[in-house]
Amino acid sequence: EVQLLESGGDLVQPGGSLRLSCATSGFNFYNRAMSWVRQAPGKGLEWVSGISSSGADTNYADSVKGRFTISRDNSKNILFLQMNGLRVDDTATYYCAKQIVPSLSGRGDFEEWGQGTLVIVSS
Amino acid sequence: DVVMTQSPLSLPVTLGQPASISCRSSQSLVHSDGNTYLSWFQQRPGQSPRRLIYRVSNRDSGAPDRFSGSGSGTDFTLKISRVEAEDVGVYYCMQGTHWPPLTFGGGTKVEIK
Repeated sequence: EVQLLESGGDLVQPGGSLRLSCATSGFNFYNRAMSWVRQAPGKGLEWVSGISSSGADTNYADSVKGRFTISRDNSKNILFLQMNGLRVDDTATYYCAKQIVPSLSGRGDFEEWGQGTLVIVSS
Repeated sequence: DVVMTQSPLSLPVTLGQPASISCRSSQSLVHSDGNTYLSWFQQRPGQSPRRLIYRVSNRDSGAPDRFSGSGSGTDFTLKISRVEAEDVGVYYCMQGTHWPPLTFGGGTKVEIK
């Protein structure tokens, strides 16, 4: 059974930093691209960032470029999202999602989602 | 960026009756590999999203057969043949052909009349 378990969400002040983790099991993590998707309270879904299976390629939504960094540890089957310079509008539930192919070139789709971790940015 | 437009925003449905959700993209979603990467996700209240339909019309294992997807190019539809109480939630379409960024429709809230 595929499992994606996010953690690391917290209340943080504007300008602060947070590191999210997504522990995975039940599939060949090293063979799948992964993404983070967020959902502000009461709002829709917004793709945040993606990383290829090897970690060599990454991409970001314009709204987080230069502030967030996605990475992965294929030896431990964990996906990360380092979030710096947090803003009030980054407040959201952050989901990790398993993609259908190893690369980031086209063929974007999410087979599985985690349960999410809540990030609140507020003073 | 590809803009995904869903309608309606809200869909009150009588139990046992059909329901239909429209999703339109700002450009064709046909990929160079010949596939169309248009998926539908269901998000029940308090839950994370789960995929129901991939590549326009392929139903995920575990998705009830009352759900079906259709369409081509820029126009897509999710249909529920007979709405059940467990179908209450928000439905999103998403395109994965032209990215980054992956883009979602704004969502359609299905509720029981």
